[in-house]
Amino acid sequence: QVHLVESGGALVKPGGSLRLSCTASGFNFSEYYMAWIRQAPGKGLEWVAYMSGSDDYYFKHTESVKGRFTISRDNAKNSLFLQMNSLRVEDTAVYYCVRVSGGFWGQGALVTVSS
Amino acid sequence: IEMTQSPSSLSASVGDRVTFTCQASQDITNYLNWYVQKPGKAPKLLIYDASIPETGVPSRFSGSGSGTHFTFTITSLQPEDIGTYYCQHYDHLPPTFGGGTKVEIE
Repeated sequence: QVHLVESGGALVKPGGSLRLSCTASGFNFSEYYMAWIRQAPGKGLEWVAYMSGSDDYYFKHTESVKGRFTISRDNAKNSLFLQMNSLRVEDTAVYYCVRVSGGFWGQGALVTVSS
Repeated sequence: IEMTQSPSSLSASVGDRVTFTCQASQDITNYLNWYVQKPGKAPKLLIYDASIPETGVPSRFSGSGSGTHFTFTITSLQPEDIGTYYCQHYDHLPPTFGGGTKVEIE
């Protein structure tokens, strides 16, 4: 069955960097759009970035993270990544790796930005 | 596309029929998911294509609607149904979410 496992969450100081990883299994990873969705403490769900499966590797980031975060993927390793630079306190959230089609989510990775 | 859920929270008794809504800012035909999220857990898909239950979802959960107005119903509220329910469109990317409806037991 579909399985998504995030890793890389941590406590980091404002201005710092972090790279989240998501390892996928149970489906043909290269065929699917993938996304990062985040949830700040006590708040709702917000899409962060998404990327197409293959061919053109089309991607888009939400406005608040443009120029700071970068989504990427390695289809040979069934992996999705989120490079987060210049982190801010307001980036504190649980970050979920999501297969856009079918509603499959990982368990989430906690990113805490605090001095 | 903006998704608006109402109410933001509700409290009902076990056995009650519970209904809440999701409004899209433009026509999304039936490209709508309903999720439930329990504290500390990832959202779990309950309904897709606005009205089709995911495998294994209890029959007391149902969804309806098309275009811009959607409804989620629990026909007989159970204690294990407490959580926050989110709608999410997938008419096109990005897949935006409603603000959630928190369901509690009286």
